Amino acid sequence: DTGVSQNPRHKITKRGQNVTFRCDPISEHNRLYWYRQTLGQGPEFLTYFQNEAQLEKSRLLSDRFSAERPKGSFSTLEIQRTEQGDSAMYLCASSLDTGALYNEQFFGPGTRLTVL
Amino acid sequence: GDSVTQMEGPVTLSEEAFLTINCTYTATGYPSLFWYVQYPGEGLQLLLKATKADDKGSNKGFEATYRKETTSFHLEKGSVQVSDSAVYFCALRYGTYKYIFGTGTRLKVLA
Repeated sequence: DTGVSQNPRHKITKRGQNVTFRCDPISEHNRLYWYRQTLGQGPEFLTYFQNEAQLEKSRLLSDRFSAERPKGSFSTLEIQRTEQGDSAMYLCASSLDTGALYNEQFFGPGTRLTVL
Repeated sequence: GDSVTQMEGPVTLSEEAFLTINCTYTATGYPSLFWYVQYPGEGLQLLLKATKADDKGSNKGFEATYRKETTSFHLEKGSVQVSDSAVYFCALRYGTYKYIFGTGTRLKVLA
């Protein structure tokens, strides 16, 4: 399967701990996106990368959150000093920027974070 | 600000029933409109899209028409199947990447 993959699929942690999630996009895709989806809500945009450059960060992404895409391939999202409000599904998506107005984003299955 | 409002679920239908899931939007410009579907344990999948007023998106028997005058993009299907059970998200997008999603509507189809 060559879709977007995310690991781990589930993470349970205690408040105050750091967690890191990984996203592997579709191999030729140069754009990668992170979203957060809380219970009963739709996904909310967090940040996106064009190759290894992080081009936009949402105001939702507090200083405790950091995302990287060091070689323009996989990406990691780290949350430091987790809080119960961080409990959510974290979705990753990727797309191929062809210069067209519309490029479909392909979503991974998500990482569900529970902060106790 | 821009937003998307969907009808609350869950929506429960019998197989072969007609489906409508309402979606309205508020936007300052002229966004593209989308429907995504999320099956249990899977990521969101694009179902259909429309990029300008009066466009009709269609896929797998689902249809939605971009209505600028009523700021709506209602999802319809003439005859649902058990396999259509999922959560459906309406979304708008400006430019090439930034979506605003609705809260999702869960559909349950009974055999």
